[in-house]
Amino acid sequence: EVNLVESGGGAVQGGGSLRLSCAASGFPFRSAYMDWVRQAPGKGLQWVAHIKPDGSEKWYGASVKGRFTISRDNAKNSLYLQMDSLREEDTAVYYCARDLSYGASDIWGQGTVVTVSA
Amino acid sequence: DIQMTQSPSTLSASVGDTVTITCRVSQTVPNWLAWYQQKPGRAPKLLVFQASTLESGVPSRFSAHGSGTEFTLTISGLQPDDFATYYCQHYDNFGPGTKVDI
Repeated sequence: EVNLVESGGGAVQGGGSLRLSCAASGFPFRSAYMDWVRQAPGKGLQWVAHIKPDGSEKWYGASVKGRFTISRDNAKNSLYLQMDSLREEDTAVYYCARDLSYGASDIWGQGTVVTVSA
Repeated sequence: DIQMTQSPSTLSASVGDTVTITCRVSQTVPNWLAWYQQKPGRAPKLLVFQASTLESGVPSRFSAHGSGTEFTLTISGLQPDDFATYYCQHYDNFGPGTKVDI
């Protein structure tokens, strides 16, 4: 069964750090482009970061660039998002997703909640 | 930067109606345009990729068209399961969403 499962969310104070993980199964993870997408409470979807299958190239949204780092371990079928210098506006549900490399994501996790307090 | 808009922002409809959602992009883009359906508390579900190709398993009452800067998603004969929020996406840009409710 194709599946993505996020973990690592929680409550943190502003300025703190969190590391999200996403465990993949049921598809060839090592050949997949992967994304992190977030959704603030009551708001729309916001693309956060993207990584190539071999991890050689990474892209970030303007609001997280310099604070968040996307990475992956293909041996462990896992995707990560290291979030530093967290701000209240980073409060959101964070989803990992498989990117079909032409701007569409066909597999999504259930999401993990990150709450940043002042 | 590319800006994306969707209209309407909210759409009130009834079961059996045909509805159309429009996504406009601030500059001409290749047809790398996707559409998603999202229900409360759930992850988005891919409906359409490359502007008009239905994802496997998506009912044929969904159709999508468009090119350049204007794209549409049409639902012909709304079903109770279709009441949700719909988003368009072009790479790192999502539209603001269209909520389809009763």
